[in-house]
Amino acid sequence: VIWMTQSPSLLSASTGDRVTISCRMSQGISSYLAWYQQKPGKAPELLIYAASTLQSGVPSRFSGSGSGTDFTLTISCLQSEDFATYYCQQYYSFPWTFGQGTKVEIK
Amino acid sequence: EVQLVESGGGLVQPGGSLRLSCAASGFTFSSYSMNWVRQAPGKGLEWVSYISSSSSTIYYADSVKGRFTISRDNAKNSLYLQMNSLRDEDTAVYYCARDSGMGIDYWGQGTLVTVSS
Repeated sequence: VIWMTQSPSLLSASTGDRVTISCRMSQGISSYLAWYQQKPGKAPELLIYAASTLQSGVPSRFSGSGSGTDFTLTISCLQSEDFATYYCQQYYSFPWTFGQGTKVEIK
Repeated sequence: EVQLVESGGGLVQPGGSLRLSCAASGFTFSSYSMNWVRQAPGKGLEWVSYISSSSSTIYYADSVKGRFTISRDNAKNSLYLQMNSLRDEDTAVYYCARDSGMGIDYWGQGTLVTVSS
């Protein structure tokens, strides 16, 4: 099983801020990593796949980087609609695993 | 437009059974692997099970292995999850999710399963 450590679990920020979320793997997964956004009462939505490729329709203020064991999701200029919970997920091997989630809240 | 619509959730007693269904539309269902992912109330996401497009490859999370069975009917564009010997800790929203080969690109709206006496 590939264990994931996502941090921070809670991030307080203001509109316009640049925020960074980290995801660390217990073993290397090349670039087999996705990031999702989830709003309360809704299903998750894919933001980024292959560690750094933006899903169609996702604003360019979202970006992903990393490979191997360390990955980062960056939101360059936080907008009101970005306040949500974010999850990383590895699809390198089964069982697929998700990070614990990062809730981005209004400061 | 891709749509995944789950059904079959509800209240069930511990030890009971439930069968979830997912109706897919807007894409060639038989070409995609599919998954079930769940989320306990107030908790994070947990992958449950995977089935390949032809049903030849199936995986389960250890937490459900031996109790849950994933299946699909490509002629009916449908995905299923048979859940037996349900436990309190199986209480969650269950999502049907399409595997793009690069993660999960589409999710259903979810169906709530509550295991309680």
